Formats: sequence, structure tokens, C-alpha cells
Amino acid sequence: DTGVSQDPRHKITKRGQNVTFRCDPISEHNRLYWYRQTLGQGPEFLTYFQNEAQLEKSRLLSDRFSAERPKGSFSTLEIQRTEQGDSAMYLCASSSDNKAAGYAGELFFGEGSRLTVL
Amino acid sequence: LAKTTQPISMDSYEGQEVNITCSHNNIATNDYITWYQQFPSQGPRFIIQGYKTKVTNEVASLFIPADRKSSTLSLPRVSLSDTAVYYCLVGENPRIKAAGNKLTFGGGTRVLVKP
Repeated sequence: DTGVSQDPRHKITKRGQNVTFRCDPISEHNRLYWYRQTLGQGPEFLTYFQNEAQLEKSRLLSDRFSAERPKGSFSTLEIQRTEQGDSAMYLCASSSDNKAAGYAGELFFGEGSRLTVL
Repeated sequence: LAKTTQPISMDSYEGQEVNITCSHNNIATNDYITWYQQFPSQGPRFIIQGYKTKVTNEVASLFIPADRKSSTLSLPRVSLSDTAVYYCLVGENPRIKAAGNKLTFGGGTRVLVKP
């Protein structure tokens, strides 16, 4: 257990429905990331938050995707009008730049939320 | 962005040492080398990170030659539970720069440890 929790762990939905995933990072981490991973591939970066500010977004993040981190703590990733190509594992990670606390900037990943779009 | 190349898969036996070499020919001066491990249905887990020479922790060793164009992750005396995918990543010091969009995982190396 890395301390990063994601919910739900599994989600099956029909094409065209909206889904929302939640990530609770390690509490003292100021950075939060979302990645997407399909079978047999490495994780692909989607977006990054520094506290509550969304600072980076990948071109993979289409208009149907939106992510928030309203109070700089938990984050949500919403996918609207899901498509079959959205089926993947959605991974959340957090990190800290606080060297005094022993961090080296490494990412701590949650166990992911697996999405299946029928 | 420094691209990395690593073997697709490797087989080993319990008790052996496993060495995975990653090529990163166009690594930049500010780039660090980081390795992650991923088990099925879990998120990746940080193993080790280095800039040059040798780094060792309780899990693995990382060897980086002087030209830094490659690196080798060494797993001593592997067990069945070390069967996983291992990713080599190259990017700016993640503590200083939140390089999320530059952490390209690639396909990784699938290590299978046999009894």
C-alpha cells in the first residue's frame, strides 16, 4: 500500500455514459498526476497538478476528459461520453519535492481504476 | 526528451542475479535515471534513481557508466515475487522539476523468474 487510494477500482459502463474517478494522494504530497495504461503498454501521462493548479495536460487528454483538484488534496478525473477506446487502467500518482522529508521526487502510484466501456 | 530502449523480456531463475540494461543515448546533462517496477493490476513502484556511477539500496543497484548513455538495473538473488515489468525512465531531477509530462514509461522489460 503506497498511501495513494483510488476509487472505484473497477468500473464497467456503456458507451456514451459519463464516469468519474477519484484519487486521494498521500496527504503531504503537493504534486498529483494522472496516467492511463492499456494492456501491454507502459503508463501514459495525462495531466499534472501542483497543489490545486493544473499545470500540464497531455494531448491525450481530449475535450471529453476533465480533471480537478479543488482544494489541493483529492482529485477527480471525469470522462464524458465514454468511447470503447477509453477502456484502460487510470492511474493516479502523487509526489513531493520536500527533500527534508526524505523525498526524491519519486512517484507513488495508486492501484488504479480499471475502466471497461461496452 | 531522452528516449530509452530496454529488452522486451527476460527470463531468470530463483536465486540468480538479474541485470537489465537500458539505453538512453541522447540523455541530457540535467537528466536523472529512474527505475520503476510494476506487478499485474497494480501501479508502478519506485525502485531506484541515480545520476552517475553506482547507487545501491535495499532492493537493487543501479550502475551508470561515465558517458551515461546506458544504465543497468541489478536485482540480486531474485525470487518468484520479483516477476514484474521493469521500466527505465530518463528525465530532469524529479525533486526539483515536476517532470510528469517528461516521464515516458515506454514498454518496459517483462522479467519472469522461474522456480
